[in-house]
Amino acid sequence: QSVLTQPPSVSGAPGQTVTISCTGSSANIGAGYDVNWYQHLPGTAPKLLIYGNFNRPSGVPDRFSGSKSGSSASLAIAGLQADDEADYSCQSYDGTLSDVVFGGGTKLTVL
Amino acid sequence: QVQLVQSGAELKKPGASMNVSCKASGYTFSGHYIHWVRQAPGRGLEWMGWINPKNGATNYAQTFQGWVTMTRDMSMNTAYMEVTRLKSDDTAVYFCARDLGDGYNYDAFDIWGQGTLVTVSA
Repeated sequence: QSVLTQPPSVSGAPGQTVTISCTGSSANIGAGYDVNWYQHLPGTAPKLLIYGNFNRPSGVPDRFSGSKSGSSASLAIAGLQADDEADYSCQSYDGTLSDVVFGGGTKLTVL
Repeated sequence: QVQLVQSGAELKKPGASMNVSCKASGYTFSGHYIHWVRQAPGRGLEWMGWINPKNGATNYAQTFQGWVTMTRDMSMNTAYMEVTRLKSDDTAVYFCARDLGDGYNYDAFDIWGQGTLVTVSA
C-alpha cells in the first residue's frame, strides 16, 4: 500500500493529452513538500521528468507539465507519442514518517 | 558524462547478505547525496535511504532500519549498500540515484544507476 495514490493505468490516443493524478495527505503533499515525477519501464532506471512540482530538467520536452493543489499533484502529457508508453511514478516526502515516499505507479498505454 | 554504474546481478539464499556497489563518474562525488531505491516485481518504487558521501552520514527509511547499511569509499567514488537477513520478498531491482541538490539533500533523483537485480531463492 503506497502512501501516495495513483491510478493503476491511463490511456490515450496519439496526439491527445492525458493526466495522471497523485493523491497524498496533510502529512506529505498537503504539508507543502515538493512532488517529483519519474518515467520508467519496469525494472529499468527511472528518468526524472518533473521536480519541485512543475520544473522540467533540461532535455525534458515541454509536453510534460506538473501541477499541485492541496494534497494532490498531477502530471499532464500533451501530444501523446508512442514512446510515451511507460510507467509514471510520483514522489514526495512524508513529514510524519520522515521518509521519502512514492506512488504505486501508473501505466500509460498509447492506443 | 555523469553516470552511476552498479555492480552485477546477484542470486542469494534466504538469510544471506547482499552488497551492491554504485560507482559515480563525471561529477564531484562528494557534492551530491546518494539514495537507494528498490522495485520488487509488480510493485512500485520503494525508497531505502541516503548517504552523504561528503561525511558518511546516513538516513534510512523506517522499514529498513536495522538491516540496511550504506557506506562509501571516497577514493573510489563509490557508494555501497549492504542488506542483511535476506528474505524472498527482498527479490527486487535495486537502484542507486544521485540527489538533484548540489551540496544539500533535495529529495529528487536526477541520475540513476542501471539497476542491480537481486534474487533471493532457496
